[in-house]
Order: sequence, then C-alpha cells, then structure tokens
Amino acid sequence: QSVLTQPPSVSGAPGQRVSISCTGSSSNIGAGYDVHWYQQLPGTAPKLLIYGNSNRPSGVPDRFSGSKSGTSASLAITGLQAEDEADYYCQSYDSRLSGKVFGGGTKLTVL
Amino acid sequence: QVHLVQSGAEVKKPGASVKVSCKASGYTFISYGISWVRQAPGQGLEWMGWISGYNGNTNFAQNLQGRVTMTTDTSTSTAYMELRSLRSDDTAVYYCARDRGAVAGDFDFWGQGTLVTVSS
Repeated sequence: QSVLTQPPSVSGAPGQRVSISCTGSSSNIGAGYDVHWYQQLPGTAPKLLIYGNSNRPSGVPDRFSGSKSGTSASLAITGLQAEDEADYYCQSYDSRLSGKVFGGGTKLTVL
Repeated sequence: QVHLVQSGAEVKKPGASVKVSCKASGYTFISYGISWVRQAPGQGLEWMGWISGYNGNTNFAQNLQGRVTMTTDTSTSTAYMELRSLRSDDTAVYYCARDRGAVAGDFDFWGQGTLVTVSS
C-alpha cells in the first residue's frame, strides 16, 4: 500500500488528453511538500518529467503539465502520442515517515 | 553532461550482502545528494534512502534501517549502497539517482540500474 495513491491504469486515443491523479495526505502533499513526476518507459530507468509540482525540465514537451491542490496532485498529458505509453510515478516527501515516497505508479496505454 | 554509471548485476544467496556502486560524472559531486531507489520485478518504485555528497549524512527508509548502509568516496565521485541479510524479496533493480534536496528534492538524473537477484 503506497502512501501516495495513483490509479493503476489510464488510457486514451492518440491526440486525446489524459490525467493521472496522485492523492496523498496531511503529512505529505497536504503539508506543502513538492510533488515530482517520473516517466518510465519499458525496460529503462525512470526519467524526471515534472519537478516542483509544475515545472518541466529542459527537453520535456509542453504537452506534459503538472498541478497540485490540497492533498492531491495531477499530471496531464495532451495530444497523446504512441511514445507516451509508459508507467508514470508521482513522488513527494512524507513527514510522518521522515522520508521520500512514491505513488504506486500508473500505466498509460495509448489505444 | 551528467552521468551515473552503476556496477553490474549480482546474484546472491539469502543471508548474504550486496554492495552496489554508482560513479557520478559531469557535475560537482559534493553539491548534490544521491538517493537509492529499487524496483522489484513488475512492481513500483521504492525509495531506499539518501546520502549527502557533501558530508555523508544519511536518511534511510524506515523499513530498511539496520540492513542498509550508504557511503560515498568523494575522491572518485562514487556512491555505494550495501544491503545486508538479503532475502528473496530484495530481488530487484537498484537505481541510484542524483537528489536535488534531502527533503523537497527531485531525482533529476538516474543510473542505468543494477539487477540484484537473491536466490538459493
């Protein structure tokens, strides 16, 4: 059971918009700790996709965006492409555990 | 360009220890920390702990305290993670990642991963 809760899977057709939620609590996201998002393509190491809730590292397309409100955060992907098919993870810090935590991951399928 | 290069795959017996290395290049090693993250087969990511590249301070995940040690060698810009008393459920790919902050930081660069298999 992950401290941060994500839907196990989401799907969308090419060109569509999908959103992935990351629900936490008052000891992590709700406490004001930043949320970061990672993309993991099959068989590869994770890659930083969004940092500090809503910032994109250089080279990440603006089709990817992040937001945070209250005890939750969200990753949105617009203009879905086949290459976006991957696992997506949110990550934050939890004061109760005194450590960093990940969501359980969401598998994105492009139909 | 930042690179993190990890040591090769390991096969260990239950009860043994494993030590994985992570050699950093392309940035000032002491300016960042290193976190270790593992991923069991078909499972999600699990944060294991963090070590400061500056002074070696550490913070470990509660479920691993007592079994894990993290160290650095600043002369070679290398971080190490040692896990003791290995069990079958420690079988996983172990990643090192550059950590941009002990609390709020993200992991902006990752190593290629090291597969550790625990089997009798």
